[in-house]
Amino acid sequence: AQSVTQPDIHITVSEGASLELRCNYSYGATPYLFWYVQSPGQGLQLLLKYFSGDTLVQGIKGFEAEFKRSQSSFNLRKPSVHWSDAAEYFCAVVLPYNTNAGKSTFGDGTTLTVKP
Amino acid sequence: DVKVTQSSRYLVKRTGEKVFLECVQDMDHENMFWYRQDPGLGLRLIYFSYDVKMKEKGDIPEGYSVSREKKERFSLILESASTNQTSMYLCASSLGNLGMYEQYFGPGTRLTVT
Repeated sequence: AQSVTQPDIHITVSEGASLELRCNYSYGATPYLFWYVQSPGQGLQLLLKYFSGDTLVQGIKGFEAEFKRSQSSFNLRKPSVHWSDAAEYFCAVVLPYNTNAGKSTFGDGTTLTVKP
Repeated sequence: DVKVTQSSRYLVKRTGEKVFLECVQDMDHENMFWYRQDPGLGLRLIYFSYDVKMKEKGDIPEGYSVSREKKERFSLILESASTNQTSMYLCASSLGNLGMYEQYFGPGTRLTVT
């Protein structure tokens, strides 16, 4: 079955430490890939997206993600975490050329806690 | 900036009431979506619409209906609210139909059904 998996429900890192959030997908074709962030009490905001080309993509707030076809993964990274990065992070996929309005499938999310 | 607004941030309703959740976007987006978000379950798609008066069921449409009479507005209707519909409801919109456009989200409506 087609799915998006975020293996880590909750991650805690110290401020200034590096961060990697994992995302794996299971689809027949390479989907379009997105990372969103949700701050407490807010809606989701796009961090970055990947369609094709360079497998390392840069996003807002200093985030980047790397697409690895062989591992069906799209992991999100940040070299130095700030306290304001504490939030919930969602990986999402869309099947390419899907005429269903770009319907996304979201992972269950990873909650990031940042220790001072 | 794209703006997606939802009519209420918090709503408390009684079991059996008919509930309307309104969503408005100001960027002329073709697509609009309703999700519910529950702890540990991520975002689950209830309904979406790719054009005025067009709608399609998502993954959990039971107990819900939608209406899209104007391009900018997408309403979620709970015909007879039940306690298991207590949740955070998120509306989103996106441009185009090829899937490469990100979704823009409203701030959410936290609905409590008592």
